[in-house]
Amino acid sequence: NAGVTQTPKFQVLKTGQSMTLQCAQDMNHEYMSWYRQDPGMGLRLIHYSVGAGITDQGEVPNGYNVSRSTTEDFPLRLLSAAPSQTSVYFCASSLVRGGGNTIYFGEGSWLTVV
Amino acid sequence: SQQGEEDPQALSIQEGENATMNCSYKTSINNLQWYRQNSGRGLVHLILIRSNEREKHSGRLRVTLDTSKKSSSLLITASRAADTASYFCATDRVLGGGGADGLTFGKGTHLIIQP
Repeated sequence: NAGVTQTPKFQVLKTGQSMTLQCAQDMNHEYMSWYRQDPGMGLRLIHYSVGAGITDQGEVPNGYNVSRSTTEDFPLRLLSAAPSQTSVYFCASSLVRGGGNTIYFGEGSWLTVV
Repeated sequence: SQQGEEDPQALSIQEGENATMNCSYKTSINNLQWYRQNSGRGLVHLILIRSNEREKHSGRLRVTLDTSKKSSSLLITASRAADTASYFCATDRVLGGGGADGLTFGKGTHLIIQP
C-alpha cells in the first residue's frame, strides 16, 4: 500500500510554461484534493473531486485545471505558470468528503516559477 | 478564509516538558482534526474529535474540544525531539441540508523541542 504518490518532487518552470503534477492513490478513495502551502498562509484548497468524472473548485482555483478519469489518479495542470504559483503542492485523498474522515497526504511537490 | 487558527504560531520547549497548542474556529463544526507536518514532508493525521465529544486520547496526545468557546487544544506530554514539527488543526463546517463539507486547515503551530 503506497498511499498517495505525487510526482515530481521538485520542479523549476519558466513563466508561461505549462506542466502537470501527477497524483495517484491506491486506497480506493472517492475523495481527492489538491492544496497549496505557502509560508504564513497554511494550506489552501485548489480543486477537489468526489469521484471519477466529478471535480469542483476550491478556494484558489485560478490558473489550475484538474480532471478525474479514474478513481486512482487526480492530476493538477498549471496552464501558464506564473511566479505567484511558486509553492509547495500537496495531493490528498480520503474515503469520502467530510471532516469525519482521515485525510492522507502525499509528500509534496516543490514548484518554483522563475 | 481560515476557519481554524492555531495559537501560538511558534512554541519552543525543553525535551520532557508538555506542549500545549490551541485552535480557535469561527462557525459551528461537525469534526475537528489535528495533523502533524515534519519539515519537508506531507501532513500526517493525529487525531479526530467529533463535535459531541469533549476529550480524546491517543498515546501521549490529548485533545479537548469546547464547542461553546469554539476552541480545541492539543496537549503533547513528555515531549521528545522527534515531536519537533508543525501542528495543524482542521475543521469542517456544519452545512445546511446535511451536505458534507471539506476540511479547512489553520496556519499551524511550529513546535521546537530543545534536547
